[in-house]
Amino acid sequence: GNSVTQMEGPVTLSEEAFLTINCTYTATGYPSLFWYVQYPGEGLQLLLKATKADDKGSNKGFEATYRKETTSFHLEKGSVQVSDSAVYFCALLILTGGGNKLTFGTGTQLKVEL
Amino acid sequence: DGGITQSPKYLFRKEGQNVTLSCEQNLNHDAMYWYRQDPGQGLRLIYYSQIVNDFQKGDIAEGYSVSREKKESFPLTVTSAQKNPTAFYLCASSRDRGQGQPQHFGDGTRLSIL
Repeated sequence: GNSVTQMEGPVTLSEEAFLTINCTYTATGYPSLFWYVQYPGEGLQLLLKATKADDKGSNKGFEATYRKETTSFHLEKGSVQVSDSAVYFCALLILTGGGNKLTFGTGTQLKVEL
Repeated sequence: DGGITQSPKYLFRKEGQNVTLSCEQNLNHDAMYWYRQDPGQGLRLIYYSQIVNDFQKGDIAEGYSVSREKKESFPLTVTSAQKNPTAFYLCASSRDRGQGQPQHFGDGTRLSIL
């Protein structure tokens, strides 16, 4: 079956530090990959996506590259801010006869301190 | 602005009571989804619908029911058969077909037991 594995949190960083959140996946077929962000008490917001191997998704200073050879989609940001504190979810999507169904990782909480 | 509206934001259920969570979208999306989120866990799919008057069970459908009478609306009923309903419920929608179509989320409803 399909699955997504994320590094466990919480990840605590100082402002302006470099961020990496690891994500690896198992999938039959060729998935699209997503990063979503959830701020406290809110729903999920799409952060970035990549639909094929070697694609790089980017948004708001965050980047992730679809690595088929390592089945990974690690999230990176060069300089985090306090406002980046949130929970980050990696997800994969595969088209099936039953529609577009997302498989989520368990989420990684990021805390950024001054 | 287009988006997904979930109501109410907070909901309390008495023992033996059915409650209905509302989800409305004005994005003209064909597909809609309901997820359950428990603390420290990823999202789990309850039900999804690709088209009006049609819906399928997700991974944890027991104790829940849905309807899809209009394209814009996908209400979720948490029945008394759901013995552990306390959770954060998220509704999402997407353009159904096409690899890489992301799901867009509402702000969620938090359900608690009185």
